[in-house]
Amino acid sequence: EAQVTQNPRYLITVTGKKLTVTCSQNMNHEYMSWYRQDPGLGLRQIYYSMNVEVTDKGDVPEGYKVSRKEKRNFPLILESPSPNQTSLYFCASSLFGGGASSSYNEQFFGPGTRLTVL
Amino acid sequence: KQEVTQIPAALSVPEGENLVLNCSFTDSAIYNLQWFRQDPGKGLTSLLLIQSSQREQTSGRLNASLDKSSGRSTLYIAASQPGDSATYLCAVFYAGKSTFGDGTTLTVKP
Repeated sequence: EAQVTQNPRYLITVTGKKLTVTCSQNMNHEYMSWYRQDPGLGLRQIYYSMNVEVTDKGDVPEGYKVSRKEKRNFPLILESPSPNQTSLYFCASSLFGGGASSSYNEQFFGPGTRLTVL
Repeated sequence: KQEVTQIPAALSVPEGENLVLNCSFTDSAIYNLQWFRQDPGKGLTSLLLIQSSQREQTSGRLNASLDKSSGRSTLYIAASQPGDSATYLCAVFYAGKSTFGDGTTLTVKP
């Protein structure tokens, strides 16, 4: 089944303890992206990756790191989590992220990771 | 900076009614606009994607239109059903960046 998977789905941690949220897609998509969703603030883009080894900042990158060493995986790293990073996180992918208007830009989302930082 | 607005924020209708959800964006430089559905506590499900060169897309009871020059899109839902109750989000995409609206929460009453 074509899908985007995230792990863990739920995580409670403490301030300052490094964590990684994994994202994997099995659709051979070039483009992947991370978002956070907060009440009253909506969905905001953290980082995106056009292809392997190519990443760029979204609207709210502070406090996050990403890497794209292989096409299928795009982990989100919080090196020193703080309570303001408590949120619902989504990973998404699409076949392509660049070029002109195309149906290949359609994004497919993972199930989400609910993170609580105490 | 791109901004996306969705009106209304919430909508309650009786079953069977046709309805329109609105999405507006400030920068017409987009590759596409995508409509999503989100159930409470769940992920996003893609409903329709309209490329910037297209005027509309249809899928079943859903029809989405795009007027790029005026920065507007509408999602038309025909013959609404209680199972359509969810939050509907629109997002515009350009050169790797996505900007989402805050969504319209739809309640369809039996």
